[in-house]
Amino acid sequence: EAGVVQSPRYKIIEKKQPVAFWCNPISGHNTLYWYLQNLGQGPELLIRYENEEAVDDSQLPKDRFSAERLKGVDSTLKIQPAELGDSAVYLCASSLEFGVTGELFFGEGSRLTVL
Amino acid sequence: AQSVTQLGSHVSVSEGALVLLRCNYSSSVPPYLFWYVQYPNQGLQLLLKYTSAATLVKGINGFEAEFKKSETSFHLTKPSAHMSDAAEYFCAVSDMGNTPLVFGKGTRLSVIA
Repeated sequence: EAGVVQSPRYKIIEKKQPVAFWCNPISGHNTLYWYLQNLGQGPELLIRYENEEAVDDSQLPKDRFSAERLKGVDSTLKIQPAELGDSAVYLCASSLEFGVTGELFFGEGSRLTVL
Repeated sequence: AQSVTQLGSHVSVSEGALVLLRCNYSSSVPPYLFWYVQYPNQGLQLLLKYTSAATLVKGINGFEAEFKKSETSFHLTKPSAHMSDAAEYFCAVSDMGNTPLVFGKGTRLSVIA
């Protein structure tokens, strides 16, 4: 069974440029998460989707970040415009159902460098 | 709100020695507790989890952790370290699975030959 797939793995852009990350969760997983991982830190939740609905986006900086999960499967996280402080790893995770076992399955992450 | 504190950002052990990574949690309700491992340039992989069943939880790769409510702890142990155990380890908590996982800052484990 395929795991959570993210792309691109690495992205280098100049500040003020836009960037987008894509995530394909494990088949059948209704819940999808985007986490931000700064260097030397643990992951921090940005947004959680239940199917196509964003049910927890309180930590998403909405002035420059946006996300969507069309048809309740793949998801895209966008930053526009990017700032130097956005350099980090963006992790996507999925789970079968929220609140059942709590276990999340993570992708390998998308590492963003903003110059 | 729930939180976890991982004591020691870096732990170094000799190959074959005991591994002990410390995690203390804060939660207003019975917690679900997790340990994840992250190898360089990879995502997080679940090592083990506690969801209110047996307090001693066994995971993959010979790791285990014990839930101690009186100490609000969930320390990770392995009797004998292997070179392949070198990685970043994260403790995480959820309020009975009803809230998204909150992660600690991580502990980097180095294994010396």
